[in-house]
Parts: sequence; structure tokens; C-alpha cells
Amino acid sequence: QQQVKQSPQSLIVQKGGISIINCAYENTAFDYFPWYQQFPGKGPALLIAIRPDVSEKKEGRFTISFNKSAKQFSLHIMDSQPGDSATYFCAASGRGSARQLTFGSGTQLTVLP
Amino acid sequence: DGGITQSPKYLFRKEGQNVTLSCEQNLNHDAMYWYRQDPGQGLRLIYYSQIVNDFQKGDIAEGYSVSREKKESFPLTVTSAQKNPTAFYLCASSRTGGVNTEAFFGQGTRLTVV
Repeated sequence: QQQVKQSPQSLIVQKGGISIINCAYENTAFDYFPWYQQFPGKGPALLIAIRPDVSEKKEGRFTISFNKSAKQFSLHIMDSQPGDSATYFCAASGRGSARQLTFGSGTQLTVLP
Repeated sequence: DGGITQSPKYLFRKEGQNVTLSCEQNLNHDAMYWYRQDPGQGLRLIYYSQIVNDFQKGDIAEGYSVSREKKESFPLTVTSAQKNPTAFYLCASSRTGGVNTEAFFGQGTRLTVV
């Protein structure tokens, strides 16, 4: 059972454009929603994260929008740069001491120069 | 320089062999995790451990085993029972408790069956 659904699978954007990646979740016990960025051959690294008590969080060019009623959240990358080309994963974790992450299937972003 | 170290970076396994992937962290994290990454499938949880000498199965534990004898170390053994072991394996660690528990990942081990 895929508890976090991510789309699109791949995305091509021109330099300076806006990249948008969407995720939807099913488990209402999730209360932490991070986005990870992964470059080829490397481990994922935390990019930005949000809790469901806020609807938006912005860090530099990266913004998470969160819709609790729709159980959806999205990553917006403003002024996309070729260096942003990577695979992006949304994730979610729920209450409990382990807080293991459930990941979406990933989006391969290519930003054309 | 704190972080998570996985070794080896590349590993080749013959059919029927068991192999062990190493994961060491010096972040003083209680929780450690093993994920498997296949193209187009994201990261899937194999095993996780919240404390020394305790661990739980994740979503795809069959054919794998782990141990947690030290807080810093969480090795993963891929056994011969794992029929399709070729994948990229990622180890992670995090603090326990609280909400914003960021998971830190190692650089991964790419396992190939030859």
C-alpha cells in the first residue's frame, strides 16, 4: 500500500521557471512532511519540512504548500536553476517514537540552461 | 565531522552468498534505518532500530537481517533468501522523540548480483 503518492515522475523546466511537485497522503496520523533532494549516487538530504499546523513554509527559493483537508502538499521551486536538477522525494512520518519516514516514489527534475 | 558512513560504496554478490553492508554514525542518534532504493519506486524501509539491541521489521524485511549491538552501528546482511538484491541501499539515523526529527542519510551502497 503506497501511503504517499507523488507526481509527476519526471519534470523538465527551463532555467528561471517554476518547478512544482505534488504529493498526497492517506494516513491522517502523519504529522511531519519533509522534502528530500538527492543527486545521482548520493544519499538524500533534507531540503525543507512542514508540520500540518501551517499552510505554507518558505526557505529561499523553496516553498512547501500544505492542504490538510485535501491531504496534499507540494514543493514549489522558484527561479529554477540547472543546479537544482536532482531527484526530489516527499515523505511523511507519524506519531510514535520511531517516526520512520514513508517516501513518495520520487520526481526527477531537469532544469534546462 | 559528524555524519553517517556506509561501506563499501560498491558491492558485488554471487548467487547464494550472504553479504553485509556497514553503517556507522557519530551523530549520537538513537534511531537508525535501512532503506532500499529501486528506480521509480522511491525508498522502501527494510528495518529500523530505536535503541541498542532492539529492531523492527519495515515494509520489505524478507531476505534481510540486522543487528544493533552498538549505538553507532547498524549493519545490514543481505541473505541468499533475498531473490532480487540488486539495488541501492541507504542507511539513515535520527533522534527519537519530538516531531521534527530530521533523518540524515549516508552516501549509499550499490549492491549488484553477478
